[in-house]
Amino acid sequence: GEQVEQRPPHLSVREGDSAIIICTYTDSATAYFSWYKQEAGAGLQLLMSVLSNVDRKEEQGLTVLLNKKDKRLSLNLTAAHPGDSAVYFCAVIPTGGYKVVFGSGTRLLVSP
Amino acid sequence: GGIITQTPKFLIGQEGQKLTLKCQQNFNHDTMYWYRQDSGKGLRLIYYSITENDLQKGDLSEGYDASREKKSSFSLTVTSAQKNEMAVFLCASRDRASDYTFGSGTRLLVI
Repeated sequence: GEQVEQRPPHLSVREGDSAIIICTYTDSATAYFSWYKQEAGAGLQLLMSVLSNVDRKEEQGLTVLLNKKDKRLSLNLTAAHPGDSAVYFCAVIPTGGYKVVFGSGTRLLVSP
Repeated sequence: GGIITQTPKFLIGQEGQKLTLKCQQNFNHDTMYWYRQDSGKGLRLIYYSITENDLQKGDLSEGYDASREKKSSFSLTVTSAQKNEMAVFLCASRDRASDYTFGSGTRLLVI
C-alpha cells in the first residue's frame, strides 16, 4: 500500500523566514493531496488540497508544490509568523480509495 | 456550515474498563473515521465506515470495536483499557468529493 514519509520532524525558523516541509509517497496512482495544521489541543484543520493534475497552488502565504515524477509534495510557508507554530501533516489519498495515508507530522516553531 | 462533535473531550478510565467515545457530524458525509494520535506522533487509523452499518478495520483495530448505527454518528469502544495508556482519539468525516473534517478530539488517560 501507499507509504508516506514526511520531513523534517521538527523545524524551527524565525519570523519572516520561509519554512518548507516535504512529503514523499510511493503510489503513482495517488489522486489527491492535502496539508493539515494541528494546533495544540485541537483537531486537524485543512490548509490546502491539490489534485494530481496540479503542479503548484498558492493561497494566503502558502505554496504547495507537487512533483509527480519524484513523487514529492511540499508545503512552503513563505513568511512564517509565530501564529504558524503548530504540527503540520501531509495527507495522500489514492485513486478510488477511502483510506487516507498521513505523514508523521512536522512540528514547526516560529520565533519572533 | 456543518460541525463534527466528539464527546467526551476528556476521558479518564481505569485499567480493564470498557470505554466508549462518540462522534457526530451533520455534514451528511458518507465516510467516517477514527484515528489514534499518540503524543508527538502521527495518526493511525483504527476503524472507518463508508456508510451506515458498514465497518472497516484500519491498521490499529485490535483492542477496539466500532459502531455506525446512523449515518451521522460513529462510536468507538476501547474494549479493555490498558494501564497508563494516554492518547488522543480523532474522529473525521468526508464524502468522496470533499476533504476531511476533523473533530477536536477525545483525550484518554487510563489510571
